[in-house]
Amino acid sequence: NFMLTQPHSVSGSPGKTVTISCTRSSGSIASNYVQWYQQRPGGAPTTVIYEDKQRPAGVPDRFSGSIDSSSNSASLTISGLRTEDEADYYCQSYHNHNQVFGGGTKLTVL
Amino acid sequence: QVHLQQSGPGLVKSSETLSLTCGVSGYLIRNGYYWGWVRQPPGKGLEWIGNMHHFGDSYYNPSLKSRATISLNTAVNEFSLKLSSVTAADTAVYYCARISYCGGDCYSNFEWGQGSLVTVSP
Repeated sequence: NFMLTQPHSVSGSPGKTVTISCTRSSGSIASNYVQWYQQRPGGAPTTVIYEDKQRPAGVPDRFSGSIDSSSNSASLTISGLRTEDEADYYCQSYHNHNQVFGGGTKLTVL
Repeated sequence: QVHLQQSGPGLVKSSETLSLTCGVSGYLIRNGYYWGWVRQPPGKGLEWIGNMHHFGDSYYNPSLKSRATISLNTAVNEFSLKLSSVTAADTAVYYCARISYCGGDCYSNFEWGQGSLVTVSP
């Protein structure tokens, strides 16, 4: 199976923009949908992006997702950073019915 | 809106079988979707355990070496996880989830239960 690699941590100041990458080790990133989940301390994950770039109802448009076939990676971009965005973020995809999660990225809003 | 409510013991002895149940409200599990489990060891990331469709198709993480079994009970609209021969490495928060399915090998969004901490004791 493949792996999804994320940076361990990223940080940004309020109002700024951060991008979290998720690189697929084998197979094309574009072949299977990528989802992004936010997990605040002590809480369950919640979806911020599904199907590469779709936002669930209630998720602000400050959150956006994209796919880059040249780097075989997906990205989550958060603009206009707010203190409540501080959380762990996980990417997720699948292949041959096996679900795979990235290792998670801790976002710190300084 | 679907709501997933987990239940089950928070402490399991080593070598025994972990059992968790996820009650579903707001949607009938026999109407579609995959239903599955994900776990998160303390301080670590998310690990997919497996999922099942009401048609009977099921898929599991190969790393669990056939210790996991998921079953659906459409009569009471709940699904369950059994994990056999547990060790300390199975200590984790376990989440149930509804998984969107778009056909073939195509999946989408996970919707999550509240999570249950299960500790494996010696």
